[in-house]
Amino acid sequence: DSGVTQTPKHLITATGQRVTLRCSPRSGDLSVYWYQQSLDQGLQFLIQYYNGEERAKGNILERFSAQQFPDLHSELNLSSLELGDSALYFCASSVGQGNPGNTIYFGEGSWLTVV
Amino acid sequence: DAKTTQPPSMDCAEGRAANLPCNHSTISGNEYVYWYRQIHSQGPQYIIHGLKNNETNEMASLIITEDRKSSTLILPHATLRDTAVYYCIVAGGTSYGKLTFGQGTILTVHP
Repeated sequence: DSGVTQTPKHLITATGQRVTLRCSPRSGDLSVYWYQQSLDQGLQFLIQYYNGEERAKGNILERFSAQQFPDLHSELNLSSLELGDSALYFCASSVGQGNPGNTIYFGEGSWLTVV
Repeated sequence: DAKTTQPPSMDCAEGRAANLPCNHSTISGNEYVYWYRQIHSQGPQYIIHGLKNNETNEMASLIITEDRKSSTLILPHATLRDTAVYYCIVAGGTSYGKLTFGQGTILTVHP
């Protein structure tokens, strides 16, 4: 158990809908990261928040947005869902804001299926 | 970030050491080598990381060559539960948080 908690574990929704994925980082970790893993793209970095502020951005679609709240939990919002958004979404956390040598710990992921 | 090259698959007998190689010839001075593994769509699990020196923890050992252009992850006594995809990642500087996962090595441990 990495200490990173993600909900829901599984989610099925229809195209065009909007969903919210939730992440609680490890106790004491200030950074939260979101990654997407699909069959054709592999594991890809989406976005990072550090202590409530956006720190780095990756291949995140404009239909997707994230935020980190004062209690440090984070939410990834996915809207206007398409079939291709079906994937495993991982949240990860680390103590620092992305310092080399810090360890990033991953949660167990949220399976999203868009039908 | 520097690109890494790993063999697509490897086999290992249970109880033997598994040695997983990784090439990272374009690694720069401030970049670390990280190893993660993923067991059947579970979350990637951190194994070990290092900068220059060899590192060992309760899971594995990491051997980095002197020129830092390659490294080897060693699982000293592989078990069936070590069957997984192993990712070698090079990252550092301001891009550290954006770990770039390649295709990894599928390690299969046989009884």
